[in-house]
Amino acid sequence: QVKLLQSGAALVKPGDSVKMSCKASGYTFTDYIIHWVKQSHGKSLEWIGYINPYSGGTNYNEKFKSKATLTVDKSSSTAYMEFSRLTSEDSAIYYCARSSYYSGDNFDYWGQGVMVTVSS
Amino acid sequence: DIQMTQSPSSLSASLGDRVTITCRASQDIGNYLTWFQQKPGKSPRRMIYGATNLEDGVPSRFSGSRSGSDYSLTISSLESEDVADYHCLQSIQYPWTFGGGTKLELK
Repeated sequence: QVKLLQSGAALVKPGDSVKMSCKASGYTFTDYIIHWVKQSHGKSLEWIGYINPYSGGTNYNEKFKSKATLTVDKSSSTAYMEFSRLTSEDSAIYYCARSSYYSGDNFDYWGQGVMVTVSS
Repeated sequence: DIQMTQSPSSLSASLGDRVTITCRASQDIGNYLTWFQQKPGKSPRRMIYGATNLEDGVPSRFSGSRSGSDYSLTISSLESEDVADYHCLQSIQYPWTFGGGTKLELK
């Protein structure tokens, strides 16, 4: 069965960076794109960007372009997101989710989410 | 960016009620509209994709429809397990954008 297993919660200080992972299993990793989504305040969702595991190509929401860096390790079927220069506004839950290469077929599987708390 | 205006932001309904949640797109998105259900402490779950296609395993009381730039998620007869937040997503143009969410509660 398809699974996206994310790394554990993180408590980080303002100005620091955090790197989280999303390990895929149950399907061919390079057959699907991995997206990252932010959920603040327990409700609203924001699309951060995606990475194509086959090519390594990325596409970022302009809002997060200077904040997020997406990478993959094909050998371990794992996608990573590094979030830098953290502020209290970055405290949120971060999800990875997959989509097919056809953008109408998206987000059928999600990771369990990573809660990031930014506090001194 | 395409704005997705979701309404209502919260909704209180009784068991057995017909419930409708709507997202209005600021530009043409065709049928590139997905609906998600999210229960407390859980990840979102895809319910409807392509505006009208029911995800496998989703109860048939859920349906999606489109009228122009308005997209609706309808629950024909509300059950207690449907209490959740609901989100819409447009995926025709980057950046993909979500609606503001709807919190569905029991009256």
